[in-house]
Amino acid sequence: QQQVKQSPQSLIVQKGGISIINCAYENTAFDYFPWYQQFPGKGPALLIAIRPDVSEKKEGRFTISFNKSAKQFSLHIMDSQPGDSATYFCAASTGGNTGKLIFGQGTTLQVKP
Amino acid sequence: GAGVSQSPSNKVTEKGKDVELRCDPISGHTALYWYRQSLGQGLEFLIYFQGNSAPDKSGLPSDRFSAERTGGSVSTLTIQRTQQEDSAVYLCASSLGTVSQETQYFGPGTRLLVL
Repeated sequence: QQQVKQSPQSLIVQKGGISIINCAYENTAFDYFPWYQQFPGKGPALLIAIRPDVSEKKEGRFTISFNKSAKQFSLHIMDSQPGDSATYFCAASTGGNTGKLIFGQGTTLQVKP
Repeated sequence: GAGVSQSPSNKVTEKGKDVELRCDPISGHTALYWYRQSLGQGLEFLIYFQGNSAPDKSGLPSDRFSAERTGGSVSTLTIQRTQQEDSAVYLCASSLGTVSQETQYFGPGTRLLVL
């Protein structure tokens, strides 16, 4: 019940296209859903995050869509660029006394020029 | 300002040896996390420190793993009697610690290879 399932495992998109990564969860106590971006040899960095009281959050070319009833959330990257090529992780947490994050398995995105 | 730093960046050890991994969090951050990233896998929570509170050790995979945080700053993750399955990237993160759900800033990780 603590798992977060992420798909696809890898994704190839042409420059200018839309990249979509999906995540699903079971634990209804999760109330914070961040997305992290990781470049090779680097640690993950927070990209964008959402709480379940909103259905969508947009920051620049990055949008999180959240479906509470379906227990699913997704990351959309508009006008994908080669510089977006990285591994993306969704995550979730329940708050409380610990902010530990439960991560999805990751999606390796390649944006072709 | 300086981010989270970890040392060493790479560590190769022999099966059965003990290793120590170090994390220097961002100055002023009271919350510190250790995660493990195995090849092709997501990040797995190991342990969480917050100020003077008892650490959340619920993610430690076995009693060969331990961690401490001295003076509320630097943390050391120790793996005793290393096994090949311990090979992974060990990531440290810190956050301000004012609320439980806030941005975690990750270090570059220590790549551990157990031969």
